[in-house]
Amino acid sequence: DAKTTQPNSMESNEEEPVHLPCNHSTISGTDYIHWYRQLPSQGPEYVIHGLTSNVNNRMASLAIAEDRKSSTLILHRATLRDAAVYYCIPKSNFNKFYFGSGTKLNVKP
Amino acid sequence: NAGVTQTPKFRVLKTGQSMTLLCAQDMNHEYMYWYRQDPGMGLRLIHYSVGEGTTAKGEVPDGYNVSRLKKQNFLLGLESAAPSQTSVYFCASSYLGSTEAFFGQGTRLTVV
Repeated sequence: DAKTTQPNSMESNEEEPVHLPCNHSTISGTDYIHWYRQLPSQGPEYVIHGLTSNVNNRMASLAIAEDRKSSTLILHRATLRDAAVYYCIPKSNFNKFYFGSGTKLNVKP
Repeated sequence: NAGVTQTPKFRVLKTGQSMTLLCAQDMNHEYMYWYRQDPGMGLRLIHYSVGEGTTAKGEVPDGYNVSRLKKQNFLLGLESAAPSQTSVYFCASSYLGSTEAFFGQGTRLTVV
């Protein structure tokens, strides 16, 4: 499985966009890039995933570099409820999720 | 629709005691997983199952055993608990081929 590098923590102001980066330089051609988040005292929850093209859903956008060695999760307007640890997980179709230490996002009112 | 339910939510064990954590899912998922999360760290995969009657080791399987006798249930056993197994345990499940896993609320285990 590909190794990932994410900032330990980031801070954002409420209602502003947030860009959470992830480096995954050893990603294989078949690995999808997944993002999960973990709200305080809860289990992780799915946010978004993609392979090569940028992806959008109701929660966030995922921008994937052309060489696929990095990606960025974009929260368009951060809210206090978005304060969580965000995990970037490259994985193949076989269902095993390996979590790193993630990025702790703090949202200031 | 309860999703993924973990039992119990909290437990304190003495060193050497045994216990079983139960994970139940009502989504007919083929895949189930057990993770542990130590303070300030990410989740680490203990064991997983790709279907009823099958189990496999993850990153940190030592000291744990699992069983998947029914598709909807995945049990995690600690035969002789150690303080190093103090952690929050999360169960998850997913469909075969799906990219989305659903997690339970966690079991906070303390071994003294």
